[in-house]
Amino acid sequence: DTGVSQDPRHKITKRGQNVTFRCDPISEHNRLYWYRQTLGQGPEFLTYFQNEAQLEKSRLLSDRFSAERPKGSFSTLEIQRTEQGDSAMYLCASSLGPALHTEAFFGQGTRLTVV
Amino acid sequence: AQSVTQLDSQVPVFEEAPVELRCNYSSSVSVYLFWYVQYPNQGLQLLLKYLSGSTLVKGINGFEAEFNKSQTSFHLRKPSVHISDTAEYFCAVSSAGNQFYFGTGTSLTVIP
Repeated sequence: DTGVSQDPRHKITKRGQNVTFRCDPISEHNRLYWYRQTLGQGPEFLTYFQNEAQLEKSRLLSDRFSAERPKGSFSTLEIQRTEQGDSAMYLCASSLGPALHTEAFFGQGTRLTVV
Repeated sequence: AQSVTQLDSQVPVFEEAPVELRCNYSSSVSVYLFWYVQYPNQGLQLLLKYLSGSTLVKGINGFEAEFNKSQTSFHLRKPSVHISDTAEYFCAVSSAGNQFYFGTGTSLTVIP
């Protein structure tokens, strides 16, 4: 399977703990996006990378969230001191160039539950 | 700023009947419009997109959508649905091409 893969698929954590998610994009894709989707809502943009550079971050992204893409390949999204409001599906997508001109491929997501 | 409104949260329809899923957008600049589908336990998949040119856009799986600038709409249609079309459908708008603004989704249920 050469699609976008995310790990883990599910994560249950206690409030206050730190969690880290991983996204492996399609290998030749230079753009990588993180979105968050809560129940009954559409995906919300969090941040995106072009190669290893983080070019844009949503104002919705609190200081507890940090994302990296150190070698321009896989990316990690870390949430520190998790809160119950962080419970959501975290989606990763990748594309070759700007998403307007090429399709953005989404992974199956990581479902986070904070208890 | 851009935003998307999907007017129907749930749409039940009988198999082989036509369906229309409604989407209205708001933007102060030129936009690009998309429809994505999400099957249970799957990621989002692009159905179709409008960038420019013909306002009638054809996508995968027999879906099409029409861009109407005066009504700021981008409704999705299919003339005859199948059981396999049961899924969540999201309309999205983008102006800069770097992020998408998604609607809240429409759950399409095809009834045998």
